[in-house]
Amino acid sequence: QVQLVESGGGVVQPGRSLRLSCAASGFTFSNFGMNWVRQAPGKGLEWVAFISHDGNRKLYADSVKGRFSISRDNSKNTLSLEVIGLSPEDTALFYCGRDRGAYYIDYWGQGTLVTVSS
Amino acid sequence: QAALTQPASVSGSPGESITISCTGTSSDVGGYNYVAWFQHHPGKVPKLMIYDVSNRPSGVSNRFSGSKSGNTASLTISGLQTEDEADYYCTSFTGSPARVFGTGTKVTVL
Repeated sequence: QVQLVESGGGVVQPGRSLRLSCAASGFTFSNFGMNWVRQAPGKGLEWVAFISHDGNRKLYADSVKGRFSISRDNSKNTLSLEVIGLSPEDTALFYCGRDRGAYYIDYWGQGTLVTVSS
Repeated sequence: QAALTQPASVSGSPGESITISCTGTSSDVGGYNYVAWFQHHPGKVPKLMIYDVSNRPSGVSNRFSGSKSGNTASLTISGLQTEDEADYYCTSFTGSPARVFGTGTKVTVL
């Protein structure tokens, strides 16, 4: 069955960087686009970034453009999100999700929590 | 890309039917038959309930149904059950590169 497992979250100081990972299994990873979505405490879901199946196309929400970088390694079935210049407003549960139909996510991971605090 | 508009909360008693709306524009909801709905129990993995306006993935109860009229899509939950209490989000194809979610609706079973 499809499984997505995020890791890499933690408590970081403002201004620092973090690299989140998502390990995929149960499907042909290289055939699917992938997304990162976050949910801040008490807030709704916010789409963050998308990467095409081959890594050639990358899209970002305006709120993270220039600070977040999405990448993938199809040989290792791994999706990554590099985040720099973190601020307390970036505190959130970050989910990875498999892209379908160019607009929705059909499978989600359980999320990894990023807390930005001094 | 602005978020799609959903009511903050909807409630109903067990056995009743409720409907959650998702309002966009002619550039997203109204322009394509591509609307999906997710159920999210806080702290758990979001679950796809409806895609392409009215299609249910395998394993999703037929108590959940989707529809669309103009720029507004709807998710109806029939025979409301206590386990249906969760947050629900819509999403739509936009024709632009960005993905967009609805503002989210908290469903309460009275």
